[in-house]
Amino acid sequence: QVQLVESGGGVVQPGRSLRLSCAASGFAFSDYGIHWVRQAPGKGLEWVAQISYDGSNKYYADSVKGRFTISRDSSKNTVFLQMNSLRAEDTAVYYCAKEHTVTTIDPWGQGTLVTVSS
Amino acid sequence: EIVLTQSPGTLSVAAGERATLSCRASQSISSRYLAWYQQKPGQAPRLLIYGESGRATGLPDRFSGSGSGTDFTLTISRLEPEDFAVYYCQHYGSSLWTFGQGTKVEIK
Repeated sequence: QVQLVESGGGVVQPGRSLRLSCAASGFAFSDYGIHWVRQAPGKGLEWVAQISYDGSNKYYADSVKGRFTISRDSSKNTVFLQMNSLRAEDTAVYYCAKEHTVTTIDPWGQGTLVTVSS
Repeated sequence: EIVLTQSPGTLSVAAGERATLSCRASQSISSRYLAWYQQKPGQAPRLLIYGESGRATGLPDRFSGSGSGTDFTLTISRLEPEDFAVYYCQHYGSSLWTFGQGTKVEIK
């Protein structure tokens, strides 16, 4: 079955960087886009970024554009989210999720918590 | 950019009763690009209903989606204990995926 496992979360100081990983299995990785969606503590869902099946297209929410970079390594079935210039408001659980259709997102991993704090 | 506003914020419903959740878009959108998700405490969200007739595999018939233009509805006809959760609507457009702020369905 489809499995998405996030890693790389932790506590980081404001202004520093962190890289999240999403290891995928159970499906033809190179055929699907992958998303990152985050959820601040006690808050709703916020879409962050998407990378197309072949990595040729990348899209970002305005809130992270210019600071976050999404990439993928098909040899490792892994997607990355490089997060630079982190702010307190980036504190959230970060989920990676598979493209279900072009317009929808499913299934999701269990998430990794990123805390930006001094 | 489309903004989705969900109401109410919290819906208190007894098991066995009907729940009606609203999702309003800031401008007219196609139902093809509107989806609903469920998130239970401590779990990741999961897709329930999408597009004009798409349903997640195994989704019970008590869940249904409807609407057009700017007003969309998720209806749960007879709430079961496992249905108490937070529900999000989501829109896709111009390579952006946008979520509503969610409606929490709690036990009355």
